[in-house]
Amino acid sequence: SQTIHQWPATLVQPVGSPLSLECTVEGTSNPNLYWYRQAAGRGLQLLFYSVGIGQISSEVPQNLSASRPQDRQFILSSKKLLLSDSGFYLCAWSVSLTSGYEQYFGPGTRLTVT
Amino acid sequence: SQQGEEDPQALSIQEGENATMNCSYKTSINNLQWYRQNSGRGLVHLILIRSNEREKHSGRLRVTLDTSKKSSSLLITASRAADTASYFCATEKGGNEKLTFGTGTRLTIIP
Repeated sequence: SQTIHQWPATLVQPVGSPLSLECTVEGTSNPNLYWYRQAAGRGLQLLFYSVGIGQISSEVPQNLSASRPQDRQFILSSKKLLLSDSGFYLCAWSVSLTSGYEQYFGPGTRLTVT
Repeated sequence: SQQGEEDPQALSIQEGENATMNCSYKTSINNLQWYRQNSGRGLVHLILIRSNEREKHSGRLRVTLDTSKKSSSLLITASRAADTASYFCATEKGGNEKLTFGTGTRLTIIP
């Protein structure tokens, strides 16, 4: 069966520090991968998605970047965090079905920038 | 921009009652999906309904889709305390592997 891992679960970082969040998927090949951010009590904002190694699409101009160095690994990074980068970050993968794409989410990382 | 808007934003009902949540969207879609999120956790896929379907059932869940009105509803029958969560609709456009999520309905089941 497929599983998705995200770490760390929580993170407190000072403004101006770097960031690296990692997401890995097991049990599937060539998945589509996604990074979302969720502000408190709000919906999900798609940040990046990837359909293959080295292929990254950015949805929103921002202080963050993403990379996919391996088929089942997706990394979210920042060189210098801003207060506005605080939020709940979710990684997801999707499988293509005849009916469309269903997404499966990791447990999330709660980032607080102080 | 947000494709989906859920209504109501928050809903509290007694255990055993039925809960209905609505979702409206703006553009044509390939399918519409509903997800559940428990507090502080990731989202869990509940059900997918294609654009050519009008109703779908899964256990205590019933989803309807009206493409002429660009709206969908999620009905949870015989609610349980464990149904307390936020529920999001998400739309997929044709030939696009992205989903656009709504703002969510926060459902509270009162024991």
